[in-house]
Amino acid sequence: ILNVEQSPQSLHVQEGDSTNFTCSFPSSNFYALHWYRWETAKSPEALFVMTLNGDEKKKGRISATLNTKEGYSYLYIKGSQPEDSATYLCAFGVVYNFNKFYFGSGTKLNVKP
Amino acid sequence: NAGVTQTPKFQVLKTGQSMTLQCAQDMNHNSMYWYRQDPGMGLRLIYYSASEGTTDKGEVPNGYNVSRLNKREFSLRLESAAPSQTSVYFCATGTGEGQPQHFGDGTRLSIL
Repeated sequence: ILNVEQSPQSLHVQEGDSTNFTCSFPSSNFYALHWYRWETAKSPEALFVMTLNGDEKKKGRISATLNTKEGYSYLYIKGSQPEDSATYLCAFGVVYNFNKFYFGSGTKLNVKP
Repeated sequence: NAGVTQTPKFQVLKTGQSMTLQCAQDMNHNSMYWYRQDPGMGLRLIYYSASEGTTDKGEVPNGYNVSRLNKREFSLRLESAAPSQTSVYFCATGTGEGQPQHFGDGTRLSIL
């Protein structure tokens, strides 16, 4: 079992604040890193697929960076809005099994109006 | 376009009862997965199937069996339910080529 850690576990911010959180994963055997957004009472939806060291992805106010050499990825949200409230999951994929991804326990973000 | 369909959405069982959770996809994906979600523990892989006719254990397979009936369907069976198996169960599909997974809406299972 590979260890994928996300921090912080939860985060409370005010509307308009910018925020970021971390996904840490093993620095060896890296294949891909996925970020998902998971709203309460719904199912996880993919945000980003990251495959190369130094990758930066952006979707609206949300962006992510990847450092495979040191084994971490950051997710940034600029100017948080209440609709950003969700749990953000990362999932780490290994080169020796393209079918299997290891999920972190998530960062639960609550944005107060 | 339904995507990934799980049935039932809710179920209450008594300890020792058996049941099968169903998952069907119309994504034409090769890989299918069963996860359980417990508070503070994210998603834990129970079993997965890389292709029709193959299944492999995940992190927490004990107490479960699976069946990949065909490319579309992947079922999860609890032979003798235990209270520790109270959880929300998610089925997911993937291309098996490193792309993100697509999830069903989940089955909330309570075992008394």
